[in-house]
Amino acid sequence: AQTVTQSQPEMSVQEAETVTLSCTYDTSESDYYLFWYKQPPSRQMILVIRQEAYKQQNATENRFSVNFQKAAKSFSLKISDSQLGDAAMYFCAYRNSFLTQGGSEKLVFGKGTKLTVNP
Amino acid sequence: DAGITQSPRHKVTETGTPVTLRCHQTENHRYMYWYRQDPGHGLRLIHYSYGVKDTDKGEVSDGYSVSRSKTEDFLLTLESATSSQTSVYFCAISELAQETQYFGPGTRLLVL
Repeated sequence: AQTVTQSQPEMSVQEAETVTLSCTYDTSESDYYLFWYKQPPSRQMILVIRQEAYKQQNATENRFSVNFQKAAKSFSLKISDSQLGDAAMYFCAYRNSFLTQGGSEKLVFGKGTKLTVNP
Repeated sequence: DAGITQSPRHKVTETGTPVTLRCHQTENHRYMYWYRQDPGHGLRLIHYSYGVKDTDKGEVSDGYSVSRSKTEDFLLTLESATSSQTSVYFCAISELAQETQYFGPGTRLLVL
């Protein structure tokens, strides 16, 4: 079974600085998807960024970018120019490709990293 | 934002009573999911649906049942609520199995 590990329960960053959140995963599949979701105090789960495993190029979305290291099974999230509104729980998630035989549509989540942004 | 609503948003109930949570979407997406979120566990899949009347179990399905009679509604039922089912429940939708899942606002359930 696939597992996702977020080794940093809490992180903090100064406003306008850069922070990197770590995520590692375990899978025997070659094709899959990885996601970062943000959960602010409102508890809404918000998609931050998505990466397809077959793509070598790292995904970016404005101030958010990932460092996807497929061989190392690592998927870190970098937040540049951190803003107060970035304070939230961040969850890394994995999902098999729908082409995987017997593949599941479920997302496998890490336990989350709580990010604090200091003014 | 994806058009997903959950009702109720908060509920307090007693052990042994039945509880039904509703997820409603306006996106006409085929796939719908129920997750629960607990401290130290992240989110875990309870059940999901891949079409009207087509459902399957997730990793923590014991004590839960689901129904989907219309594309837009996915119901989660706790037949006899237990304190271990105190949690925050999230509904999610995706157009296709390979597409990104978008989440509803969540329902806080407290079972006393």
